[in-house]
Amino acid sequence: NAGVTQTPKFQVLKTGQSMTLQCAQDMNHEYMSWYRQDPGMGLRLIHYSVGAGITDQGEVPNGYNVSRSTTEDFPLRLLSAAPSQTSVYFCASRGLAGRFGELFFGEGSRLTVL
Amino acid sequence: DAKTTQPPSMDCAEGRAANLPCNHSTISGNEYVYWYRQIHSQGPQYIIHGLKNNETNEMASLIITEDRKSSTLILPHATLRDTAVYYCIVRVASGGSNYKLTFGKGTLLTVNP
Repeated sequence: NAGVTQTPKFQVLKTGQSMTLQCAQDMNHEYMSWYRQDPGMGLRLIHYSVGAGITDQGEVPNGYNVSRSTTEDFPLRLLSAAPSQTSVYFCASRGLAGRFGELFFGEGSRLTVL
Repeated sequence: DAKTTQPPSMDCAEGRAANLPCNHSTISGNEYVYWYRQIHSQGPQYIIHGLKNNETNEMASLIITEDRKSSTLILPHATLRDTAVYYCIVRVASGGSNYKLTFGKGTLLTVNP
């Protein structure tokens, strides 16, 4: 059981470049989300989704786009990367029923913007 | 939104119980307390959650005070692998099951040999 899979694990970008962080889960979870984690700070919610075709903003959505065309995938897009987006990004998912409240996290994607 | 306060760091001897405190004095009656931990460079991992009653699972015990203003996570026999940042989170309800979890800075627990 793979759980939540994030790719790439590491990425270096130049300012202004675009890229997509991929997130896939094989647990048939309705809820998926993206967090970023910066040194000395907790995880901050960027965007989340409660099902295919439904997305919403978290605490720090600016500079990021998301879409949810399938239950399994929830990509995070940076259209024009900025140094302030240097961070570790975590994707997380959970079911909306059943084992209540448990978020399953991926291993993280470490992004550096020069 | 109810906020949580945790000590930034704690130490514990291997094999002893680790007791991690959390204050959430503004918690409302229908808000849950969650605990997660994050081992270095990994994604956070769910530990336990509770509403009013004490809870226990294979990983830990959660003790919530009667007034619900504070709680304690107990790792009964800490091992070196329990060294991690522990997050105490109060669940913010946002319409049915569409809730969000807000992670603070947590407590860095260091288990010493």
